[in-house]
Amino acid sequence: GENVEQHPSTLSVQEGDSAVIKCTYSDSASNYFPWYKQELGKGPQLIIDIRSNVGEKKDQRIAVTLNKTAKHFSLHITETQPEDSAVYFCAASPNSGGYQKVTFGTGTKLQVIP
Amino acid sequence: DAGITQSPRHKVTETGTPVTLRCHQTENHRYMYWYRQDPGHGLRLIHYSYGVKDTDKGEVSDGYSVSRSKTEDFLLTLESATSSQTSVYFCAISTGTTEAFFGQGTRLTVV
Repeated sequence: GENVEQHPSTLSVQEGDSAVIKCTYSDSASNYFPWYKQELGKGPQLIIDIRSNVGEKKDQRIAVTLNKTAKHFSLHITETQPEDSAVYFCAASPNSGGYQKVTFGTGTKLQVIP
Repeated sequence: DAGITQSPRHKVTETGTPVTLRCHQTENHRYMYWYRQDPGHGLRLIHYSYGVKDTDKGEVSDGYSVSRSKTEDFLLTLESATSSQTSVYFCAISTGTTEAFFGQGTRLTVV
C-alpha cells in the first residue's frame, strides 16, 4: 500500500518568515494530494490540494508543489502569521473517488513566533 | 463547519467495557469515515461507509465495528475497550469526489 512520509515533525519560524513542509509518497498510482490544517481541539480542515496533472498550485500565501518523478510534494507558507500555528498533514491518494484510499502523513506541528 | 456532530466529545471508560461513538451529519453525504489519531501515526482509517448498511474495513479495523442504519448516522463500537484504543477519534464525510470534512473529534481514554 501507499506510504507517506512527512518532514519535519516540528517547525518553528519567526512571524513573517516562510515555512516549508515536505512529503514523499511511494505509490506511483497516487494522483491526488491534499493538505490539511488542524488547529488545537479541532478536526483537520482542507487548505489546498493538487492533482498530478499540475506541478504547482497557489492560494494567497499558501502554495503546493508536486514532483511526480521524485514522488515528493511540498507545502509552502509565505509571510507566516501567528494564526498559521497548527498541525499540518499531507496526504496521497490513487484517486479522488472516495477517501478510503487516502493515506495521511504523520503531521508537522508549526509554531509561528510573534 | 460542515454539519458534522460527534458525540460524546470526551469519554473515560474502563478496560473491557463496550463503547459506542456517534457521528451525525446534516449534509446528506454518501461517504462517512472513522479515523483514529495518535502521536507519530497521523490519521488512520478504521472503517468507512459508502451507503446505508454498506461498510468496509480500513487500515486499523481490529477491535472495532460500525453500523450505518441511516444516511445521517455512523456509529463506531468498541466491543471490549482496551488501553491501546485510547485515542482521539474523528468522523469525516465526503461526497466521494471532493474533500473530506472532519468532525471535532472524540477523546477516548480507556483506563
